[in-house]
Amino acid sequence: GENVEQHPSTLSVQEGDSAVIKCTYSDSASNYFPWYKQELGKRPQLIIDIRSNVGEKKDQRIAVTLNKTAKHFSLHITETQPEDSAVYFCAASRGNTDKLIFGTGTRLQVFP
Amino acid sequence: DTEVTQTPKHLVMGMTNKKSLKCEQHMGHRAMYWYKQKAKKPPELMFVYSYEKLSINESVPSRFSPECPNSSLLNLHLHALQPEDSALYLCASSQDKGWREQFFGPGTRLTVL
Repeated sequence: GENVEQHPSTLSVQEGDSAVIKCTYSDSASNYFPWYKQELGKRPQLIIDIRSNVGEKKDQRIAVTLNKTAKHFSLHITETQPEDSAVYFCAASRGNTDKLIFGTGTRLQVFP
Repeated sequence: DTEVTQTPKHLVMGMTNKKSLKCEQHMGHRAMYWYKQKAKKPPELMFVYSYEKLSINESVPSRFSPECPNSSLLNLHLHALQPEDSALYLCASSQDKGWREQFFGPGTRLTVL
């Protein structure tokens, strides 16, 4: 079955710096890749997603890139702020199923 | 209404108790999900309902019993749980299957004594 690996497990950056989180997936049929942010004690919330028919998507300070050949995708956060501190989960799924496979998560800490 | 709600927020139960978790959405979504999340781990899929029918059961023990009374409601009935079942139980919904954002509820924090 599908397996999603996520790195790093923890990431500490200074406010204003960029942060990059990387994920690799095993199922070449996966074609939907969302990223969720989960603050402490809160629900996971979608921050950006990408489908396999595009290679990059950007929304203000957040961008996601997808390399289908290498089967990896990355989250880029620029000009980080303390409120970006949270756990970030990548996920992958086949578009014709309901099943999201989550990565193991990255705890991002942004220091003022 | 663009939210998934869950009740109760917290639940403490003994191993012989029977309890239920409830989830509700009024976004017209036709797929609903139960996830289990342990501390510092990703959400782990338990069940998926699509158009009020169970479409995925991830080999969950029978002490967890899902129910979808209608397109807006999802229940999880709990019976004879074990302490290792203590976790955050998250409900989610999406417009339809595949390629769709899943909206998560706030979760029920379950403790089994």
